[in-house]
Formats: sequence, C-alpha cells, structure tokens
Amino acid sequence: DTGVSQNPRHKITKRGQNVTFRCDPISEHNRLYWYRQTLGQGPEFLTYFQNEAQLEKSRLLSDRFSAERPKGSFSTLEIQRTEQGDSAMYLCASSFEEGTYGYTFGSGTRLTVV
Amino acid sequence: AQSVAQPEDQVNVAEGNPLTVKCTYSVSGNPYLFWYVQYPNRGLQFLLKYITGDNLVKGSYGFEAEFNKSQTSFHLKKPSALVSDSALYFCAVREWSSASKIIFGSGTRLSIRP
Repeated sequence: DTGVSQNPRHKITKRGQNVTFRCDPISEHNRLYWYRQTLGQGPEFLTYFQNEAQLEKSRLLSDRFSAERPKGSFSTLEIQRTEQGDSAMYLCASSFEEGTYGYTFGSGTRLTVV
Repeated sequence: AQSVAQPEDQVNVAEGNPLTVKCTYSVSGNPYLFWYVQYPNRGLQFLLKYITGDNLVKGSYGFEAEFNKSQTSFHLKKPSALVSDSALYFCAVREWSSASKIIFGSGTRLSIRP
C-alpha cells in the first residue's frame, strides 16, 4: 500500500457534463475525507465517511454533488451538471478513526470546467 | 466552531536565516494542531502535529512548532531556511472529538531566496 490514490489526476470537462472522481484510501484507514481546494486557498471540507457511512456533509456540497463509499473501501465523488465554479483541486484523505495522526492526502484531482 | 487563521499570505526569508510562519486557532476544548506543506500541483504532506505533552514539537525536514495555549498559537519555525523549503504551508486544527474533522487555514506562501 503506497498511500492514498486518486484518479484521474486531471479532468477537463464542458459545462453541464457529469464527472466522477475516485479515491482509494490506505487500506487500514476506516475514515475517508473529501476536500476542495481553489487556487491559493486552503482545503475546504466537503464530506467524510467512517467505513461506508457518510457521517457529515458540508453546506458547500450542493445537490449536484454526491459521494459514496459502497463497501467501506474506495470512494467516488460525482458532480452533476458541472459549472465553471466547480473548477478546483479535489483532495481525498484517509485516517484512522481517532485521527490523532492526522490525515494522509492523495495528490488530488484537478477539475477544469470549460 | 473551530477555526484557524494564518495572518501572513507570504513570508520571505533569506537562505540560512531562521523562519517563522504564524498560526492562531480557535476551538472548544483541547485542540489537535497540524502543519502541512504543499508543493505545486501536489497534495498536502504532513509536517508535524501537536496532540498533548511538550509545547515544542519537532517534525519533518527540520521544522518545529511551538504550541502556546494562552495565545492560542501554533507557529511553525525552522532555525536555518533552505531554498527547497519554498512552498505553501497550511496550519490546521481539529477539536478533541472523534466526530470532528480537520479545518485548514488559508495558507502562507514561504519564499526562500538564495
């Protein structure tokens, strides 16, 4: 296990299209987090899972956004009807439940909506 | 609600000089505090954390941070800066609750000149 893996690394899509990103966390970690980062800003929390249960969703996560973690392993983040304002880096992280060791982040998926 | 502030957008230091990147936080109860570094087009890399114990914590790449409870600060320091330290640095905080998540500051760009 070499860490948190995110695919694709880059995605360019036309406005109005749907996109889906995948995150594979560290296998021993039962918590998985999604963050969004725009240029020059800090990551903003979107949602997190403990195993397959989605425990919290940010108000930033509009109805067009949905995340799943069906078997408590990998997770997907889908954005429907993309808008230019969705252009950002989408970061996934994983941790043990206690989180005292902080999170391990993936390299992110950079979304560009044209 | 928890929050973290990084008052400086950019810090410029000459190579070999000491550096400090400032961070203040606000939480209910005891905090978990973290510093992460981000290089261009990369995810976040963990540098160090404060959970409990000694107020001075040491981390990766020669960095250290000092926890000051009375001033609610967690400043990042390094005795002698390297050009390779140039990057974006994020301070982050989490409340001492298993249900909480990490909240990030807006980031400070550290620029080390030769």
